[in-house]
Amino acid sequence: EAGVAQSPRYKIIEKRQSVAFWCNPISGHATLYWYQQILGQGPKLLIQFQNNGVVDDSQLPKDRFSAERLKGVDSTLKIQPAKLEDSAVYLCASSLVGSRPLYFGAGTRLSVL
Amino acid sequence: AQKITQTQPGMFVQEKEAVTLDCTYDTSDPSYGLFWYKQPSSGEMIFLIYQGSYDQQNATEGRYSLNFQKARKSANLVISASQLGDSAMYFCAMRVLYGGATNKLIFGTGTLLAVQP
Repeated sequence: EAGVAQSPRYKIIEKRQSVAFWCNPISGHATLYWYQQILGQGPKLLIQFQNNGVVDDSQLPKDRFSAERLKGVDSTLKIQPAKLEDSAVYLCASSLVGSRPLYFGAGTRLSVL
Repeated sequence: AQKITQTQPGMFVQEKEAVTLDCTYDTSDPSYGLFWYKQPSSGEMIFLIYQGSYDQQNATEGRYSLNFQKARKSANLVISASQLGDSAMYFCAMRVLYGGATNKLIFGTGTLLAVQP
């Protein structure tokens, strides 16, 4: 069974530029999550989707971050414009509805210069 | 407030020995789940083990076991017979209910484990 796919693996941009990350969850997983992991910290949830609806985006900085999950499958997370403090690893995860473990992708490491 | 605390920033262990990674949690929810994830230098978070708050027995998965002490609100991970490949960051996490949504995980700050030959 294929795992959670993310791209790109690495991205370097300058502040005020825009960037987008893509995630394809495990087949059949209705719930999809985007987490932000700043160096030296544990992951922090940015947004959670169930199918193509948003369940929780309380910690998403909506003035610059946006995410969508069209057709309830893959998802895109966008940052526009990026700030220096957005430098982090962005992890995508998926799970079955009501299932316990979240399964994570390898992440996208973003450096904002 | 719901919180996970990992007080060990880093630990060393000799190959083939056992090691315990500490985790304490705080929640007022009677139903919760506790997880451990491994994050090697490649960055992917790998699910290791799960313990439900109503589970009567401690969870085990191969060389991993979870020492669940509900009254003390602790969920320590025990790795037996450490291997060099166990060197990684380890995160304790708790599943919480938030606004009716399930399966939101909150994470601790992690423990970096180094296995020495």
